[in-house]
Amino acid sequence: DGGITQSPKYLFRKEGQNVTLSCEQNLNHDAMYWYRQDPGQGLRLIYYSHIVNDFQKGDIAEGYSVSREKKESFPLTVTSAQKNPTAFYLCASSDHRGRFDYGYTFGSGTRLTVV
Amino acid sequence: KNEVEQSPQNLTAQEGEFITINCSYSVGISALHWLQQHPGGGIVSLFMLSSGKKKHGRLIATINIQEKHSSLHITASHPRDSAVYICAVTNYGGSQGNLIFGKGTKLSVKP
Repeated sequence: DGGITQSPKYLFRKEGQNVTLSCEQNLNHDAMYWYRQDPGQGLRLIYYSHIVNDFQKGDIAEGYSVSREKKESFPLTVTSAQKNPTAFYLCASSDHRGRFDYGYTFGSGTRLTVV
Repeated sequence: KNEVEQSPQNLTAQEGEFITINCSYSVGISALHWLQQHPGGGIVSLFMLSSGKKKHGRLIATINIQEKHSSLHITASHPRDSAVYICAVTNYGGSQGNLIFGKGTKLSVKP
């Protein structure tokens, strides 16, 4: 079955360490996105990529980095520069850049806790 | 003011009740999405619509483009419908093709 796989589901890291969240899709979608969710807030866009080897900053990119070396993979690194990294992170993908009648598929998320 | 507003924030219903969740938006859109998020966190896309009405099982979604308003209805609600329902819009003409999300409506259906 096609879908998005995020791993791990739960992640604990010490303050000051970089951590990489995995996102893999087998839907052959061009576009992939990373969102952050905090309690009581809507999802906010961190980074997005519409094609391989190209990505753009979203609304809250500071302290994060991404790569898009393969169409099916879009890993997110939470760096030590991110001031408040504890949050729920969701990966999504869409066909044709999410315009018009093309839908989105979401992963099951990774809950990151920094101690 | 948020570009996508949902109401109510929280909703408690008895099993069998008819439920309505509302979404208003202030930007031009190419599509509106209703999403469901269960306690584990994963999100499932329920509907994507740009006009009129769509129905899937006990769920009905409507949109009024002129009034910039959408509703999600659940008929004969059941405890398994308990989840957070999120409205999101695809901004018309946006180069990012990204979603703008509401804060969600937390629904709890009691048996």
